[in-house]
Amino acid sequence: AQSVTQLGSHVSVSEGALVLLRCNYSSSVPPYLFWYVQYPNQGLQLLLKYTSAATLVKGINGFEAEFKKSETSFHLTKPSAHMSDAAEYFCAVLAGSRLTFGEGTQLTVNP
Amino acid sequence: DGGITQSPKYLFRKEGQNVTLSCEQNLNHDAMYWYRQDPGQGLRLIYYSQIVNDFQKGDIAEGYSVSREKKESFPLTVTSAQKNPTAFYLCASSIDVRRRTYEQYFGPGTRLTVT
Repeated sequence: AQSVTQLGSHVSVSEGALVLLRCNYSSSVPPYLFWYVQYPNQGLQLLLKYTSAATLVKGINGFEAEFKKSETSFHLTKPSAHMSDAAEYFCAVLAGSRLTFGEGTQLTVNP
Repeated sequence: DGGITQSPKYLFRKEGQNVTLSCEQNLNHDAMYWYRQDPGQGLRLIYYSQIVNDFQKGDIAEGYSVSREKKESFPLTVTSAQKNPTAFYLCASSIDVRRRTYEQYFGPGTRLTVT
């Protein structure tokens, strides 16, 4: 069964610092992977997706993620954090016609 | 503008009452989904539907019911049998997965409080 694990339920960075949010997946077939962002009391917004094309995927708001099969990872990065990046981030893997989500990582950006 | 609407944004009910949450989409998507979100637990799938007049249970379907009479609409009823209904409910939709487009688009959510 496909699953994802997000390492670190809370991550705190300074404004302008590198953002790294970790996601490891478990899948018996080539995975389709996604990162979503959620601002307080709102729905989820798709940041980026990996669907077996390029291993480095660029998304919105300056985020990108690299698919590493050998490490079963799909970590999300952004070179320079902005205050507006403070939100909760979810990694997800496609399992059949369903998405299975990680438990989320709350990102705090300090001025 | 195309999108997914959920209404109302906040909903309050007394224990023992059934309540129906609305979800409408004008994206012409085939599949629709209902999730429940609790603090620290991510999203859990309640029900999903890939075509009209058909739906499947997700991981936590007990105490919930759905219908899919129209492509655009996928209402969720939280019944009195749901033991802990207070949560944030999210509706999503996606183009038919058979067409190889897998991302889901989410509505703004409904926060249900039952006292």
